[in-house]
Amino acid sequence: EVQLVQSGAEVKKPGESLKISCKGSGYTFTSYWIGWVRQMPGKGLEWMGVIYPGDSDTRYSPSFQGQVTISADKSISTAYLQWSSLKASDTAMYYCARLGGDFLSPDLDYWGQGTLVTVSS
Amino acid sequence: DIQMTQSPSAMSASVGDRVTITCRASQGISNYLAWFQQKPGKVPKRLIYAASSLQSGVPSRFSGTGSGTEFTLTISSLQPEDFATYYCLQHNSFPQLTFGGGTKVEIK
Repeated sequence: EVQLVQSGAEVKKPGESLKISCKGSGYTFTSYWIGWVRQMPGKGLEWMGVIYPGDSDTRYSPSFQGQVTISADKSISTAYLQWSSLKASDTAMYYCARLGGDFLSPDLDYWGQGTLVTVSS
Repeated sequence: DIQMTQSPSAMSASVGDRVTITCRASQGISNYLAWFQQKPGKVPKRLIYAASSLQSGVPSRFSGTGSGTEFTLTISSLQPEDFATYYCLQHNSFPQLTFGGGTKVEIK
């Protein structure tokens, strides 16, 4: 069974750093892209970027380029999303999702349970 | 960038109603479109992939049509458990994916 298990909720202060995780199981982790999706409180879904754990090829949505860093450790089947200096506007639920289906243009077939990040002074 | 315009943004409907939600792409995306359902506090769930293929386990009252720039999600007979927010997702321009703005389906 494909599973993506994310790290727990975080409460941080502005300016702090943070790294959240997404551990995949039940499939070959290195053979599928993993993407990240943001959902701000009461708002819609936003595409952040994606990583291919097999070779760490990483692509960002222009809206998130330079704002976050996506990485992966294939030895432990885990992808990461990190911030070097959080802002209050980073408060949101963050989902990881596997991209599957079409080889050239996959979509989001399995999702993690989400990690709530709250940034407040 | 491909923009996805979803309509309506919200609607009220009754149990048993036929519900139609539309997504329009700013340029052609072939059939690289998926539909998701999200209930409050829950993870989005894929209902339809490749514009018209029903995800395993999803009730057959859900259906998707379209290709190119216009796509439709239809719920043939709305059930109480279908009250939720629905999102379309284009993945033609992978790795740059785009969600629609969402449609909240509320009880009339």
